[in-house]
This record gives sequence, C-alpha cells and structure tokens, in this order.
Amino acid sequence: DIQMTQSPSTLSASVGDRVIITCRASQSVSSWLAWYQQKPGKAPKLLIYKASSLEGGVPSRFSGSGSGTEITLTISSLQPDDFATYYCQQYNSYPLTFGGGTKVEIK
Amino acid sequence: EVQLVESGGGLVQPGGSLRLSCAASGFTFTSYAMNWVRQAPGKGLEWVSTISGSGAGKYYADAVKGRFTISRDNSNNTLYLQMNSLRAEDTALYYCAKNYFGASFMDVWGKGTTVTVSS
Repeated sequence: DIQMTQSPSTLSASVGDRVIITCRASQSVSSWLAWYQQKPGKAPKLLIYKASSLEGGVPSRFSGSGSGTEITLTISSLQPDDFATYYCQQYNSYPLTFGGGTKVEIK
Repeated sequence: EVQLVESGGGLVQPGGSLRLSCAASGFTFTSYAMNWVRQAPGKGLEWVSTISGSGAGKYYADAVKGRFTISRDNSNNTLYLQMNSLRAEDTALYYCAKNYFGASFMDVWGKGTTVTVSS
C-alpha cells in the first residue's frame, strides 16, 4: 500500500500569505494525485487532479506541482474562504489512500 | 445538476448490519465508477470501496474486506454499501463519491450519512 504523508499537519497563516502544503508518498505515484479542500461540516471539494490540473471553477491562486514521491499544493495569496483542511489522495494504485490532512488556520 | 444523496445510516450494535444507499442524478450513472469514503469523528478521510461502472470490478480497503460489500443498481441509479459485522471503529460519516471519468479520484461528493456502532 502507498502511504501518503502530509506536512505540516497544521498551518497558521494570514490573509495574503503564500501557503505551501507538501504530500509525500511512500513510493512513486507519478502524477496520479488529487487535492481536496474540506470545510467543517461539509463534504470534500476537488481542487486539483493529476498533480497540477485545476478543477473547473477553482480559483487560479491554487496550483499543484511535483511528481513521483513529493507533490505540493500552493495557495499564492491566502483568502478568507481558504481557511479549511486540505487532503491529498493518490490514485496510482489500489488501495486508494489519503494524506492525513493539513488544517490551515487563521494566524 | 449532478447530485448524490446518501441514506441508510443510523445507530447499530456491534456485530450488526446496515445497508447504505446513494441515489445519483444528473449524469449517466452507468458510465462512472463510484466510491464510498468515510470519515471518523474528528479524523481524516479514509477510502472504503470502489465499484466500476458495470459493477464487475470491485475494490475494498483491508479494514472492511470480507465484511462490507459494494454494489450498484444501474437501472435505478443507486449505489449501495452492505455493512456486516460492524465494529466500533466503523463509526463514521460515510460519503458517496463519483469518480472522474476514467480516473480514480472523486469529483462529486454527497453530503454523507452517519453510521454509529455502539451498544
């Protein structure tokens, strides 16, 4: 099974900050990685797939990069609506696995 | 509008059974693989199971293999999860999620249904 490790687990940031979340895989997932945003009491929302492809309707301040065992999610300028928990998910192979999540909090 | 609506959750005793349903609308159901993903209270997301569009291919997490069965009724656009031999650690919010066409990530999610396993 491919283990996904996200860092940091919690991040305190201010509006306007550049935020980077890293997802590390225990073995290569190539670019078969998705990022989701989840707000309290809500279902996850797809942000990015294939490591760097932006889902329709997602603001361009979100971007993804990397491949193999290290993939990052960047928010170029944090907005009030972005305070949430972010999860990566590999779909290179079954079982599908998620990272443990990164909670982005208001500083 | 693409929509997924889960139902069937509730309180069940350890060792009991429950069947979850997910009613899908707004897309050609048979063309898409479907998933169940769960989230224990205060915890992260955990993939549970995936079924192909035809229903022929099924995948399970080790934690539920042999106890849970995923199925679908393509004539009624409904996904199911039969859960047997339930344990306290199965307590979670269970989401139904649609796969992106041809790939194993999820582009549409339902709001979830809560399963509580407790005596």
